[in-house]
Amino acid sequence: KAGVTQTPRYLIKTRGQQVTLSCSPISGHRSVSWYQQTPGQGLQFLFEYFSETQRNKGNFPGRFSGRQFSNSRSEMNVSTLELGDSALYLCASSLYRVTEAFFGQGTRLTVV
Amino acid sequence: GEDVEQSLFLSVREGDSSVINCTYTDSSSTYLYWYKQEPGAGLQLLTYIFSNMDMKQDQRLTVLLNKKDKHLSLRIADTQTGDSAIYFCAENDGNKLVFGAGTILRVKS
Repeated sequence: KAGVTQTPRYLIKTRGQQVTLSCSPISGHRSVSWYQQTPGQGLQFLFEYFSETQRNKGNFPGRFSGRQFSNSRSEMNVSTLELGDSALYLCASSLYRVTEAFFGQGTRLTVV
Repeated sequence: GEDVEQSLFLSVREGDSSVINCTYTDSSSTYLYWYKQEPGAGLQLLTYIFSNMDMKQDQRLTVLLNKKDKHLSLRIADTQTGDSAIYFCAENDGNKLVFGAGTILRVKS
């Protein structure tokens, strides 16, 4: 069974640009959660999608958004990038509720 | 709000047992987790325990849960150099995982 796939693995963007990250969950999993990992703040919850609906949201500004498609694949978008958005963005896949959450390898975003 | 705390660093010799400790604050947490992160990688789910359990064993890993003290521990038996990584404790608040800052485990050969 394939694991959670995140693309791209690495990204370098300039301040003010926008970026889209992609996550393909484990086959059959319908819940996708996104987390931001930074050295200063650790792992912080961004949002969770289930059946194409945002079910939960963390405490991040509106520049951070996401969506989920009918095949459960999810994308997250960050607009008007700031230097502080540099982080490892991790996607987690779960069957229904966030009980057993399996993570992808992450996308390393660097904002310059 | 929820808070999860872990010690930052643990150093052990190869072959010894490692014990990583964690405290959490949300008494309504249903599941508690241990994840492992190696350099440049994502999070690997090692094991998790349901809140009505006291202990769970899985090969070299033993998880102990003291719900009264809100204390969770992960014991790794016969620690190997390949166990060197960052270990994260997390609680499930019903909507999301809340992570500790991580414990760096260094295994000396």
